[in-house]
Amino acid sequence: DQQVKQNSPSLSVQEGRISILNCDYTNSMFDYFLWYKKYPAEGPTFLISISSIKDKNEDGRFTVFLNKSAKHLSLHIVPSQPGDSAVYFCAASATGNQFYFGTGTSLTVIP
Amino acid sequence: EPEVTQTPSHQVTQMGQEVILRCVPISNHLYFYWYRQILGQKVEFLVSFYNNEISEKSEIFDDQFSVERPDGSNFTLKIRSTKLEDSAMYFCASSADRPPGQYEQYFGPGTRLTVT
Repeated sequence: DQQVKQNSPSLSVQEGRISILNCDYTNSMFDYFLWYKKYPAEGPTFLISISSIKDKNEDGRFTVFLNKSAKHLSLHIVPSQPGDSAVYFCAASATGNQFYFGTGTSLTVIP
Repeated sequence: EPEVTQTPSHQVTQMGQEVILRCVPISNHLYFYWYRQILGQKVEFLVSFYNNEISEKSEIFDDQFSVERPDGSNFTLKIRSTKLEDSAMYFCASSADRPPGQYEQYFGPGTRLTVT
């Protein structure tokens, strides 16, 4: 099952700079997307969502961009803070019921 | 802030035994889910539950699995006869609504199930 891919297993960014995490999907029926942050031994923490009727959604330092024609979404974190260091997952769904998760990108924000 | 809770945090069981994993979803949420993550693999959907019935399930959710909402607060996942390959972290999640409403799924901390 490779319906959702996060091709960068890791990313390092300087504190204060922008972090850009990418996610690609293959199923054109996906209309609902979620981003999660996860620390070891904890559950995923919901960050931000977007549905296909929009191409951008913003919440504080987090902005998600959706390019439906390219089947690509990205999460921008600006400015990045050391506390943002975690694994970030994107998840996609056709119905808003069953979500398919990517493999995650480990973000390290360097002070 | 309301959160999903799960018990126990870690469960060790012998192959062939039954286990029940428990979850308390966020109190005003109506849609409930179970996911699992085998070590080193993706988070995978198991089942969704609404209005006291299963609304969707994956291929993983075979006859060995069942879910129940025994009262107004708990949501349980039962594995009837555990196998070694059931060893995973099991996450419960809940959402207030379905699209176009508040479909965001909030996850609990997980139960680590170890089958020996």
